[in-house]
Amino acid sequence: GQQLNQSPQSMFIQEGEDVSMNCTSSSIFNTWLWYKQEPGEGPVLLIALYKAGELTSNGRLTAQFGITRKDSFLNISASIPSDVGIYFCAGQELGGSNYKLTFGKGTLLTVNP
Amino acid sequence: GAVVSQHPSWVICKSGTSVKIECRSLDFQATTMFWYRQFPKQSLMLMATSNEGSKATYEQGVEKDKFLINHASLTLSTLTVTSAHPEDSSFYICSARGGGGYTFGSGTRLTVV
Repeated sequence: GQQLNQSPQSMFIQEGEDVSMNCTSSSIFNTWLWYKQEPGEGPVLLIALYKAGELTSNGRLTAQFGITRKDSFLNISASIPSDVGIYFCAGQELGGSNYKLTFGKGTLLTVNP
Repeated sequence: GAVVSQHPSWVICKSGTSVKIECRSLDFQATTMFWYRQFPKQSLMLMATSNEGSKATYEQGVEKDKFLINHASLTLSTLTVTSAHPEDSSFYICSARGGGGYTFGSGTRLTVV
């Protein structure tokens, strides 16, 4: 099946720095979701986006649903050590079957204290 | 918020035996449940989609006779790995759609020896 193009694959940053990651698709999506997964756990929802152009914040996290409906980004400001984990974008494709989600390959974030 | 309980969190079984994994939505009714498989450092791979009371829809390449899915109620879905072999060792994660979004279980680490 289709996968989203998520970049970067990994990031090594210093505590306090800002982080940005994004996902792009060749298809139109009507929902974009951003999840964080820690080792041995299931993904936990960070932000959900439902409208083109929508910009939503959750604490230090901000995500946007691209105007073209084919991309989304997630920003983390003033990173802290507990931000470490794998971040996945996921989307529901317009016209997709059975509400299936398509996932990006993930961005591994490492924060050096 | 929406909670999905997945059990067991880890299981070790002998080759040739079957293992059942349960996924329950605790405070909402899940119209659709999804089962994923995840290999180390990789993204989630959708195995199948199930709607309550009907047969599961399997993704291409997933053996339906090996990975039996039952979705008997709006709050419970089970995945049974039949005649497990070492190559079935993986991290299995369920997700439930309902309660306003997609909620993931905490995953099951299956090791077949």
